[in-house]
Amino acid sequence: GAVVSQHPSRVICKSGTSVKIECRSLDFQATTMFWYRQFPKQSLMLMATSNEGSKATYEQGVEKDKFLINHASLTLSTLTVTSAHPEDSSFYICSARGGNRETNYGYTFGSGTRLTVV
Amino acid sequence: GENVEQHPSTLSVQEGDSAVIKCTYSDSASNYFPWYKQELGKGPQLIIDIRSNVGEKKDQRIAVTLNKTAKHFSLHITETQPEDSAVYFCAPRGFGNEKLTFGTGTRLTIIP
Repeated sequence: GAVVSQHPSRVICKSGTSVKIECRSLDFQATTMFWYRQFPKQSLMLMATSNEGSKATYEQGVEKDKFLINHASLTLSTLTVTSAHPEDSSFYICSARGGNRETNYGYTFGSGTRLTVV
Repeated sequence: GENVEQHPSTLSVQEGDSAVIKCTYSDSASNYFPWYKQELGKGPQLIIDIRSNVGEKKDQRIAVTLNKTAKHFSLHITETQPEDSAVYFCAPRGFGNEKLTFGTGTRLTIIP
């Protein structure tokens, strides 16, 4: 089945530094990738949608200069949290859509990245 | 944008009994209706989905029913087991876009 690998699973960084999170589709080409943010005991909130080779589309209220998204290939998207602050601490989850007609071009989610900014 | 609500927010069920979670959405043009299971510290996993041209779909102990007129769809789990304990999210997709809008979530606890 479709597999999405997300790394790292956990990261702790100092306030003011940047952190990069990778999302890879291992056995299919992802036409579209999505990045979500989830606070404790809350739902997933979509941050941005990205298509390979084009600029990401950010949801209202999400700072594009703070959350940099690069979708360089059909199997890799990265999210960089720049100048991180404690309020950026959260669970970040990527999702990739692709596959083929058999898989109904479904959505596959990564295992998430727990970011803690100290 | 799409407004999505789930009820109940928490549900405790005796092992072996059935559980039902309801998802209400606002976009009448929505055409894809998935349910996800999320375990602690992990990403969501698709457990069942249905498209707008179908009223019901079943996969072993799990079923989904769709009422497009009333704009709601429900997750049914029968013969519940302890490993069914998790948070469940519905995430309908509106027509003409790829975005899933996640519901508010339901924490299901199976009591052994």
